[in-house]
Amino acid sequence: KQEVTQIPAALSVPEGENLVLNCSFTDSAIYNLQWFRQDPGKGLTSLLLIQSSQREQTSGRLNASLDKSSGRSTLYIAASQPGDSATYLCAAYNTNAGKSTFGDGTTLTVKP
Amino acid sequence: GAGVSQSPSNKVTEKGKDVELRCDPISGHTALYWYRQRLGQGLEFLIYFQGNSAPDKSGLPSDRFSAERTGESVSTLTIQRTQQEDSAVYLCASSWQGYTEAFFGQGTRLTVV
Repeated sequence: KQEVTQIPAALSVPEGENLVLNCSFTDSAIYNLQWFRQDPGKGLTSLLLIQSSQREQTSGRLNASLDKSSGRSTLYIAASQPGDSATYLCAAYNTNAGKSTFGDGTTLTVKP
Repeated sequence: GAGVSQSPSNKVTEKGKDVELRCDPISGHTALYWYRQRLGQGLEFLIYFQGNSAPDKSGLPSDRFSAERTGESVSTLTIQRTQQEDSAVYLCASSWQGYTEAFFGQGTRLTVV
């Protein structure tokens, strides 16, 4: 059974700082890994999807990396802004399960 | 449609009543997922549809919960005899195929009083 862990559960940084969010998974036989953002009281917004054959994906100030062998993915946010404040979730998709397993998220606060 | 649509956005119901939650996936998406998110907690998988069949119902918490999907379109999640512990946000997601990028609706906030 896949288990996904995100550490830390909460993170507070000053504006402008570069930061890394971590996601680890126990079953490395994943098909892809997806990062989401969730604002309070809202649904999830897809940020990046990394296929198992890829090492990283970039979108603007966001860069996500994937290391299947070590069961880890990281989301790098450059030059953080207060508008980046949200909960960030990762989800690992296993083909044999036919579904994604979500971590509990990291709640990020960027202070002006 | 342009995105995944869920209705109602908010539902307050009395304990013991039945509720129906609706999800309209993105047109052409064959995979559809239901999740539950309690306040301050992570996502809890409920059920997954591929087309109108449900290969995985393992997350449904009790026999009071059921879901159906019509073709590769609308899905409804029904909760019978609601209990206070059913209070949560119910999120629906769809993807073109199960292994492709998933898109979420805004959720239905269910409050059982």
